[in-house]
Amino acid sequence: GQNIDQPTEMTATEGAIVQINCTYQTSGFNGLFWYQQHAGEAPTFLSYNVLDGLEEKGRFSSFLSRSKGYSYLLLKELQMKDSASYLCAVRKGGSYIPTFGRGTSLIVHP
Amino acid sequence: SAVISQKPSRDICQRGTSLTIQCQVDSQVTMMFWYRQQPGQSLTLIATANQGSEATYESGFVIDKFPISRPNLTFSTLTVSNMSPEDSSIYLCSGGTGVSTDTQYFGPGTRLTVL
Repeated sequence: GQNIDQPTEMTATEGAIVQINCTYQTSGFNGLFWYQQHAGEAPTFLSYNVLDGLEEKGRFSSFLSRSKGYSYLLLKELQMKDSASYLCAVRKGGSYIPTFGRGTSLIVHP
Repeated sequence: SAVISQKPSRDICQRGTSLTIQCQVDSQVTMMFWYRQQPGQSLTLIATANQGSEATYESGFVIDKFPISRPNLTFSTLTVSNMSPEDSSIYLCSGGTGVSTDTQYFGPGTRLTVL
């Protein structure tokens, strides 16, 4: 099976930087996704990592270390609209369908 | 990217009744899925909807409770049968190409409340 662990809730200040961690245990590895989900809306794709290292996309960056079973999502210059749930999802080897973590609820305050 | 629509967006149903949720994808994705998201929980895969054949269900989900149809590539339905309050949840349709480097796209979800 797969175990995916991420913090339940985080708070941060507008304009600041926040790092959301995700650790996982899986039999084989075929990629890690981060999704953003605003309340009452569908999850939207943020990033995909399959190789070690940092992938940067504007204000959002995602990091992966396969040997440590660890990823983080880094959000810079936080805006109020970044308040949402952030889901880490891992594909195990040979599978297309990822397993989702419980999500981290991020609250950005002024 | 694929755009996925679902209807209804929400419903309130009585115990013992059934509800059918429809999902439409605007492009020809290869794979379609149905997920459940209970309050405060993550996404749990119910089944993979297979075109023209029976869906593939995950452990804990059965066809009698969650019958699924997929008559063509871009349309699928999920029925929640003989509902109980424990079925109150958000049900999400998802589509993808099946390519490992591609993401899945999600519909807006159907918020179901069973009284």
